Amino acid sequence: DTGVSQDPRHKITKRGQNVTFRCDPISEHNRLYWYRQTLGQGPEFLTYFQNEAQLEKSRLLSDRFSAERPKGSFSTLEIQHTEQGDSAMYLCASRRNRDLKTDTQYFGPGTRLTVL
Amino acid sequence: GENVEQHPSTLSVQEGDSAVIKCTYSDSASNYFPWYKQELGKRPQLIIDIRSNVGEKKDQRIAVTLNKTAKHFSLHITETQPEDSAVYFCAAIGGAQKLVFGQGTRLTINP
Repeated sequence: DTGVSQDPRHKITKRGQNVTFRCDPISEHNRLYWYRQTLGQGPEFLTYFQNEAQLEKSRLLSDRFSAERPKGSFSTLEIQHTEQGDSAMYLCASRRNRDLKTDTQYFGPGTRLTVL
Repeated sequence: GENVEQHPSTLSVQEGDSAVIKCTYSDSASNYFPWYKQELGKRPQLIIDIRSNVGEKKDQRIAVTLNKTAKHFSLHITETQPEDSAVYFCAAIGGAQKLVFGQGTRLTINP
């Protein structure tokens, strides 16, 4: 499978615990995006990277959230001191650089987080 | 920033009939408008997209139209089939490079 992959697919944690999710983009896609989707809503943008540089962060991304893409390939999203309101599907997407005039973002299967 | 409104929130049509979902956007700088289909528990999958320099695009039973002046775009599905049942999301992207999604339309195809 050469699509975007995410791990784990499901995570159940207790309030106050830290969690970390991983996203592996499509090979050679240098842009990587994180979105959050709650039940019955469309995905909401959290942050995105071009290679290893984090270029934009949404105000939805509180200080408890941090994302990295250290080598410009896979990315991690960490949530510290989880709250019940963090329960959602966390989606990762990737695309090629805009210079290639390709805007399509391809989504991974998501990580469903449940905070008890 | 960009804001995307999508209507209707639910749509039920008879198999074989057509379905139309409409979206409006606020940022005139937006230049790319994809539509995603999401089945329960699965990832959003791109079904069709359109750029701002094109007014209409068609792919088999699916078409998208764009009216830049009015800042709205629509998804048209003809000859609907049961497998078209899903949640459909429109989105817009502009200079900020991030997708802004509509609220989604739950489409049900009745046999």
